[in-house]
Amino acid sequence: NAGVTQTPKFRILKIGQSMTLQCAQDMNHNYMYWYRQDPGMGLKLIYYSVGAGITDKGEVPNGYNVSRSTTEDFPLRLELAAPSQTSVYFCASRIRVGSYEQYFGPGTRLTVT
Amino acid sequence: DAKTTQPNSMESNEEEPVHLPCNHSTISGTDYIHWYRQLPSQGPEYVIHGLTSNVNNRMASLAIAEDRKSSTLILHRATLRDAAVYYCILTKGGSEKLVFGKGTKLTVNP
Repeated sequence: NAGVTQTPKFRILKIGQSMTLQCAQDMNHNYMYWYRQDPGMGLKLIYYSVGAGITDKGEVPNGYNVSRSTTEDFPLRLELAAPSQTSVYFCASRIRVGSYEQYFGPGTRLTVT
Repeated sequence: DAKTTQPNSMESNEEEPVHLPCNHSTISGTDYIHWYRQLPSQGPEYVIHGLTSNVNNRMASLAIAEDRKSSTLILHRATLRDAAVYYCILTKGGSEKLVFGKGTKLTVNP
């Protein structure tokens, strides 16, 4: 298994541009999550999904959108990028029953200038 | 939501045990205690979790105080690869949400 994969690894955006961060998992996990991590801080939950077609907001959802059309994929959309969205973005997944363990991807480092 | 308090940083020597403390005085009866760690430039990695009893796995041990107001993550023999930020996190029952604080930065000296 590749586990949780994220693309791209790095991206520089200009203010006002939009982009989609891709996340995929091949472990047939029901739950998927998006976090952001600002320098020197812990991770903050942006959005999460408990299954295909179901998404919910986390702590810091403003400025982001998500969709979950398949079990495998959970893209994060940034509309009208702002410097405050400069961060490292992590995707994670978890199986529904039998484990509390979240598996994290390697992250996408985004800079908005 | 119950909060956790961890020291900002700790140091250890290679091949010695490390005890990483976490205080959670407002923990409720259904809160699970999770530990994750984050190696430099990587995503977090699950270490261990527990509810009331002490837990052991291949990576570490989790010792939970009898009143559950504190817990300790124990690395039995630290290696250089254990240098990371360690996060102690509480979740309610089956809650999906991990709330990360700043964690404890562990430095392992050779």
